[in-house]
Amino acid sequence: AQSVTQPDIHITVSEGASLELRCNYSYGATPYLFWYVQSPGQGLQLLLKYFSGDTLVQGIKGFEAEFKRSQSSFNLRKPSVHWSDAAEYFCAVAAYNNDMRFGAGTRLTVKP
Amino acid sequence: NAGVTQTPKFQVLKTGQSMTLQCAQDMNHEYMSWYRQDPGMGLRLIHYSVGAGITDQGEVPNGYNVSRSTTEDFPLRLLSAAPSQTSVYFCASSYIGASSYNSPLHFGNGTRLTVT
Repeated sequence: AQSVTQPDIHITVSEGASLELRCNYSYGATPYLFWYVQSPGQGLQLLLKYFSGDTLVQGIKGFEAEFKRSQSSFNLRKPSVHWSDAAEYFCAVAAYNNDMRFGAGTRLTVKP
Repeated sequence: NAGVTQTPKFQVLKTGQSMTLQCAQDMNHEYMSWYRQDPGMGLRLIHYSVGAGITDQGEVPNGYNVSRSTTEDFPLRLLSAAPSQTSVYFCASSYIGASSYNSPLHFGNGTRLTVT
């Protein structure tokens, strides 16, 4: 079955600094890849997704992610972090049969 | 527009008790699913359904039952609760399914369950 690894449990960045959250996946076929964000006490909200085509995908709130097949990675980036970006971020991979697997999550803290 | 509604928000059970977590969506979504979220483990798929009358197992189905008698509702049943089922449970739905490009998952706000 497919799986996702998010190597960083917790990341702290200063407001205005750039951000990169790492995601590595394992799947035998072409993956469907997603990044979700979860604010405290809330459900998950989709930031962006990759299915095929252009390997650099743009999402909401100024986020982007790049799919690198050779590295089995789908890292999330933002050029300038805002205090409101503090949340937990989940990378996910879905198989053709709707079985979606999530990573363990990366908690982002933003310093003023 | 309510989206995905989960009830209750919090629940405490004793070992061996049964209960049903409710999930309802008003978006006419065919696909619905249940996840549990545990610290350090992300979200794990319990069961999912691609339409009324159709359900399938996910990654961690043991100890949970589901049924889908209507498009709107997808209840999750714990027949005999165990402490290992202490978790936060999320229901999610989409128009077609998790693998559909044009149909992202919509999540409820979760049910926090404690089994003592």
